[in-house]
Amino acid sequence: AQKITQTQPGMFVQEKEAVTLDCTYDTSDPSYGLFWYKQPSSGEMIFLIYQGSYDQQNATEGRYSLNFQKARKSANLVISASQLGDSAMYFCAMRELINAGGTSYGKLTFGQGTILTVHP
Amino acid sequence: DGGITQSPKYLFRKEGQNVTLSCEQNLNHDAMYWYRQDPGQGLRLIYYSQIVNDFQKGDIAEGYSVSREKKESFPLTVTSAQKNPTAFYLCASSSWESNQPQHFGDGTRLSIL
Repeated sequence: AQKITQTQPGMFVQEKEAVTLDCTYDTSDPSYGLFWYKQPSSGEMIFLIYQGSYDQQNATEGRYSLNFQKARKSANLVISASQLGDSAMYFCAMRELINAGGTSYGKLTFGQGTILTVHP
Repeated sequence: DGGITQSPKYLFRKEGQNVTLSCEQNLNHDAMYWYRQDPGQGLRLIYYSQIVNDFQKGDIAEGYSVSREKKESFPLTVTSAQKNPTAFYLCASSSWESNQPQHFGDGTRLSIL
């Protein structure tokens, strides 16, 4: 089963409008973290926003906000007032604590990504 | 400026050749990671290391090897046993706090000659 599912291979939005990128996840661990990253065509991964499983409020960072619905296991990214520079691939990722080799570490599992295109 | 430096940016491998990708960080992070990204896909974990002289296999470790002799450095060797090495390779590091993100380098694009 997919741990992280991003069902939108591509999304289009008009400049200055808001857009929502979907992400659902699957875990039985009560403690986990959800991250969103942006990957421009140049390839680097840029951290955008974080939501912890115990956080009571939805995370916000400037024009980015995370619509966290724990019961539905969804963590959608909302980008307000889209800009041309927002055109990129966006990845949702989940951090779980994994026990391996006698120690534990935080493993990050990525979704397949959504390509966002902002039109002028 | 603190960050992660990957080199080279582009790398070409001949048949039967091992190649090594460099990753250096000056963020004082204990944990370091290597990911592989295929076109249009998400990232998959190859190896990770939590402390010096210790590392663990990720989801797709076959055909790869790593070392962690210094806290700052985590080189990845793509061996001749990796039959499909053409991909984009990303190195990352993080601190131990669970709410802190992994920081990534700019990546290395590896191709077969």
